Formats: sequence, C-alpha cells, structure tokens
Amino acid sequence: DQQVKQNSPSLSVQEGRISILNCDYTNSMFDYFLWYKKYPAEGPTFLISISSIKDKNEDGRFTVFLNKSAKHLSLHIVPSQPGDSAVYFCAASAVNRDDKIIFGKGTRLHILP
Amino acid sequence: ETGVTQTPRHLVMGMTNKKSLKCEQHLGHNAMYWYKQSAKKPLELMFVYNFKEQTENNSVPSRFSPECPNSSHLFLHLHTLQPEDSALYLCASSQQSIGVLSGANVLTFGAGSRLTVL
Repeated sequence: DQQVKQNSPSLSVQEGRISILNCDYTNSMFDYFLWYKKYPAEGPTFLISISSIKDKNEDGRFTVFLNKSAKHLSLHIVPSQPGDSAVYFCAASAVNRDDKIIFGKGTRLHILP
Repeated sequence: ETGVTQTPRHLVMGMTNKKSLKCEQHLGHNAMYWYKQSAKKPLELMFVYNFKEQTENNSVPSRFSPECPNSSHLFLHLHTLQPEDSALYLCASSQQSIGVLSGANVLTFGAGSRLTVL
C-alpha cells in the first residue's frame, strides 16, 4: 500500500504558466515533506521542503502548500520555464521516529514552448 | 570531487554472476542509503547506514548484500540476481539518518547505477 501517492504520471504546462503538482499521503505520522526533481541520467536533487508546523513554504518560483487535514501537498512553479521539465518526486518522513523517507512514483512535467 | 559518485553507471550481469556497486560521498555526511527505482514504481528504500552501522534493512532479499566500511563509502554486493532485479540503484547520503526539523535528513543522491540482469 502506497503511503505517498502522486496520481498524475505526467503533466504538460505552457511556458510562463503555473505548474501545479499534487501529492497525497496516508500516514498521519508524517511530519516532514520534500520535493525532489530528477533529470534523465541524473539522480534526484532536493528542491524544497516543508514541516508539518507550516502550511506554506516559498523559495523563488517554487512554493509548497501543505493541507494536513486533507493529507495533501502541492508544489507550485510559477512562472514555468523549459528547464523545469523533469520528473518531480514527492517524499515524506516521520522525523524523529525512524529514518525512512518514503517517495511517491513521480510526476513527469513537460513545459511546452 | 564533490557530491555522491556511483560506479559503474551501467552494469549488465547474468543471474549467476557476482558484481558490486560502489558509492562514494565527499560531503562529510554520516548516513548513506541504497534506493531501488523500478519502472512505474516509487523509489524503494533498501538499506540505511548511520555512522557505518546498518539501521535499516527494508526486507531486502539476501542476494543483495550491503557493506559500509566507513562513512564515505557504501557498496552493494550482488549475487544470483533475478531479471526482476533489473532497475536503477540509487545511492544517497545525508548529515544523519535520524532527522530533525532542520532538514538534516535531506538526501543528496548519486546519478545511479543502471543494472540489467539477463
């Protein structure tokens, strides 16, 4: 049973528009959430994170929103740029409980010219 | 050299072969991890080492044998694998494996070793 779900395998967005990637989780013990970005032939790289004590974290063009009651988080990229085309992984962990970071399947984002 | 380096980048092996994957990090991190990425599946955690001690074995078959001689090096020894073990094997490191809300459990990944078992 997947604890971290990314239900959209792929997403296409026009350059300059907003990209919204969604993630749902089932484990209420998760208290730290991360987004990773992966280009082909490279390992995933850390993008942005949020702890459960917040509902929003912003870093430049990237904003992560957390809705604990819905067990849902989303990553907003605005404006979207061609270099944002990649696979985005949502991840979650129960900090201070164990050392497992659980990943979703990923969403492939295509930025269209 | 900086970051997390994995070798080889590509490996093809038969089911009776013995091979090893190597991971090296120059970030001064104390925790190292092996993850498996199969097609259309989430990244699966395999092993965690914290200060050279194995702290997690996520029900991985014994045909995968990890080794962590020091905090900078991690190996995955492979023996009598099955074709379904073909996947991308990713190594990662972090400052520590029991995280705190400072983000100490943010992982830095290597580029991966693409394994094909024939």
